[in-house]
Amino acid sequence: SQQGEEDPQALSIQEGENATMNCSYKTSINNLQWYRQNSGRGLVHLILIRSNEREKHSGRLRVTLDTSKKSSSLLITASRAADTASYFCATDARAQKLVFGQGTRLTINP
Amino acid sequence: DARVTQTPRHKVTEMGQEVTMRCQPILGHNTVFWYRQTMMQGLELLAYFRNRAPLDDSGMPKDRFSAEMPDATLATLKIQPSEPRDSAVYFCASGLFRVPPDTQYFGPGTRLTVL
Repeated sequence: SQQGEEDPQALSIQEGENATMNCSYKTSINNLQWYRQNSGRGLVHLILIRSNEREKHSGRLRVTLDTSKKSSSLLITASRAADTASYFCATDARAQKLVFGQGTRLTINP
Repeated sequence: DARVTQTPRHKVTEMGQEVTMRCQPILGHNTVFWYRQTMMQGLELLAYFRNRAPLDDSGMPKDRFSAEMPDATLATLKIQPSEPRDSAVYFCASGLFRVPPDTQYFGPGTRLTVL
């Protein structure tokens, strides 16, 4: 099974609202990454958070990591239509490979 | 603006035909990954290379898939013979080898349809 599992599978919100996606994983990690995939495109790296970090910001993105609960969340504030995409978390539990979750499909309605 | 490039972007072929997908990693990156993405299975790692040497291809069906890096600027993924169940989007990604693993930069993908 996948190491990282995103929740919810799909999320639809109005433009301007905040979007929160969660990722849970099973085994200990060194770092966790979030990627975005626009329809028909490759994945784009958004942010990396290390296991000794609890929160990280990048523009309108805020990522938290709770290693005791083996979970992470991605918050997108003041969402825009251009944020419509699928969002994946990736963990490094397996040797030097990244393992991706199934993703959250985010739709921002104008 | 350094990018991973992949060719072809789309490929339609008939069952039994050979398919070759190519990837040019970002110059200076020493690690290359091949992924397959389907609706059912999500994103699966097929193989990855470090300094052109295959490190892990356990995710790849050995009987029909092969991956190589003839040189530092070219990675190939070959399917022979292709089957309808191979229909998927195949992504190449590159990065710098780090422990633990760091950012991966993805190409635009090759959408393969096997009829």
